Amino acid sequence: EPEVTQTPSHQVTQMGQEVILRCVPISNHLYFYWYRQILGQKVEFLVSFYNNEISEKSEIFDDQFSVERPDGSNFTLKIRSTKLEDSAMYFCASSTSGLNTGELFFGEGSRLTVL
Amino acid sequence: KNQVEQSPQSLIILEGKNCTLQCNYTVSPFSNLRWYKQDTGRGPVSLTIMTFSENTKSNGRYTATLDADTKQSSLHITASQLSDSASYICVVSATGFQKLVFGTGTRLLVSP
Repeated sequence: EPEVTQTPSHQVTQMGQEVILRCVPISNHLYFYWYRQILGQKVEFLVSFYNNEISEKSEIFDDQFSVERPDGSNFTLKIRSTKLEDSAMYFCASSTSGLNTGELFFGEGSRLTVL
Repeated sequence: KNQVEQSPQSLIILEGKNCTLQCNYTVSPFSNLRWYKQDTGRGPVSLTIMTFSENTKSNGRYTATLDADTKQSSLHITASQLSDSASYICVVSATGFQKLVFGTGTRLLVSP
């Protein structure tokens, strides 16, 4: 069964370092998302991406964050200068037809620990 | 403000018993409501997705209900199994937006 894959599964970094989290969405999907979940809290929306551009972003997604689809298969989230409060599980998700009708499939997550 | 509230926060039941989880939302304009199962440290997995016109939807031992007038939903789990131990999250989508609003979840523990 097709699935969303994410790497790395766990990354530990020093505050101020740049981090890139990678995702391979399901191959025929057109909508891509990043969500995060701080330990013990609810899942929060970061950004949605369609047709090679950001379609929506939350207030969390400030200038330190960026997303890119560098080729036909990968979807990346970059955090330029990590802060302690960026420590969280980051989930990539993808959908064929967006959220009005489409099922959203999540990856297993990348756990980011900022020291 | 778009919000999703769930109750109870946590629940312990004996294997084989049934349980019902509740969700109230204030998301507007409403598009659809989803229930996800999330095992600890894993990604959410979809159980059901319901639109405005759907009152009930089943997926195996999971049955979700939706009352769009009162903005309430429930998830009923029948004949619980140990593998049902997880967080169950109610998630709502608003029309015209590409983001989901997540509830805080109900942590279910099924005990032998």
